[in-house]
Amino acid sequence: DQQVKQNSPSLSVQEGRISILNCDYTNSMFDYFLWYKKYPAEGPTFLISISSIKDKNEDGRFTVFLNKSAKHLSLHIVPSQPGDSAVYFCAARGGGADGLTFGKGTHLIIQP
Amino acid sequence: GAGVSQSPSNKVTEKGKDVELRCDPISGHTALYWYRQSLGQGLEFLIYFQGNSAPDKSGLPSDRFSAERTGGSVSTLTIQRTQQEDSAVYLCASSLAVRTYEQYFGPGTRLTVT
Repeated sequence: DQQVKQNSPSLSVQEGRISILNCDYTNSMFDYFLWYKKYPAEGPTFLISISSIKDKNEDGRFTVFLNKSAKHLSLHIVPSQPGDSAVYFCAARGGGADGLTFGKGTHLIIQP
Repeated sequence: GAGVSQSPSNKVTEKGKDVELRCDPISGHTALYWYRQSLGQGLEFLIYFQGNSAPDKSGLPSDRFSAERTGGSVSTLTIQRTQQEDSAVYLCASSLAVRTYEQYFGPGTRLTVT
């Protein structure tokens, strides 16, 4: 029973364009959402987060949007750069779990 | 400052052997977490420590798995009588406190059970 879902295993975007990564969740008790970025052979790196009481959080080129009624969040990267190529994990906190609940990840490929 | 470190980075072991994985969290972080990532899967939460105490061990996959933390710092995850399904990347993370949302991850230990 997957509570955090990233339905796109991979996404290819041209350099300079906007990358939009999507995440859906089922547990309405999650109170905080995070995005992590992972390069091969490295641990995930925290990118950006959003509280469940907000609908948008922006940090430089990265913006996370939360739609609580749809139980959906998205990460926007604009403009996309070659160094953004990585696997992006959506994670949620709360919902009765002690640790973070992660999606399976989306592999973002930025093409020159 | 130094980030979370884990050792070994890679471990190949024969089925039935015991393995010990080590995590050294960021200095001053009181909370420490263990996760596992199997091939093609997301990260699966295993256990967390607040100080030296692990309040809930129910996330450990089986009784062959155990973890401890001493001195509020280094933690070891031990897998006894390893099985092939234990093959995965084991990731450790730490945070300032359990209620701090951002967790900082180490590079992981890739365990292969042959």
